[in-house]
Amino acid sequence: QQPVQSPQAVILREGEDAVINCSSSKALYSVHWYRQKHGEAPVFLMILLKGGEQKGHEKISASFNEKKQQSSLYLTASQLSYSGTYFCGTEADSNYQLIWGAGTKLIIKP
Amino acid sequence: ETGVTQTPRHLVMGMTNKKSLKCEQHLGHNAMYWYKQSAKKPLELMFVYNFKEQTENNSVPSRFSPECPNSSHLFLHLHTLQPEDSALYLCASSQVFSGANVLTFGAGSRLTVL
Repeated sequence: QQPVQSPQAVILREGEDAVINCSSSKALYSVHWYRQKHGEAPVFLMILLKGGEQKGHEKISASFNEKKQQSSLYLTASQLSYSGTYFCGTEADSNYQLIWGAGTKLIIKP
Repeated sequence: ETGVTQTPRHLVMGMTNKKSLKCEQHLGHNAMYWYKQSAKKPLELMFVYNFKEQTENNSVPSRFSPECPNSSHLFLHLHTLQPEDSALYLCASSQVFSGANVLTFGAGSRLTVL
């Protein structure tokens, strides 16, 4: 069953913060986050494994709450380059097959 | 070239045509994937190949036929498609190992079926 992402879309001013959530009805082994810009390939951002720590990448970080089967992606002091559609992919076990959310479209305005 | 390369980037075909999409990865990965991406829908996994062997076929109609001649190349052969097959077809590769499976995607082939 596919994870649910929220919100579906968000519009921010440059410098504002955003949180994107990914929730699953199944126990999760891992959560992957990718970003896709228009006309480009989805690009890997980070992976969070069961029992692992919160990850960070410059001003983009993520957490994984195993009990709630939920992951959140945090974008702080957003830049224009952060615009795109963010996808979470979840693994229910270490079988290497990802189930994807429908994506969250992020628009950053100057 | 580096990464995952897909050709053609755009394809328009009629319902009676036969065409093929090509994917090549230069990363030394051992797994390759075909995904279908439609507007406002999650990525749909179509096929998975591990070490050139097909390990996943997610109930894809037979009008889509994959081929993986070696671990670096993947094809998707198309014939008698329907207009609802119009979508972005993404190829991805990964190095499957214990603990994680990070995908590297190509930029996709935009298919329009008339």
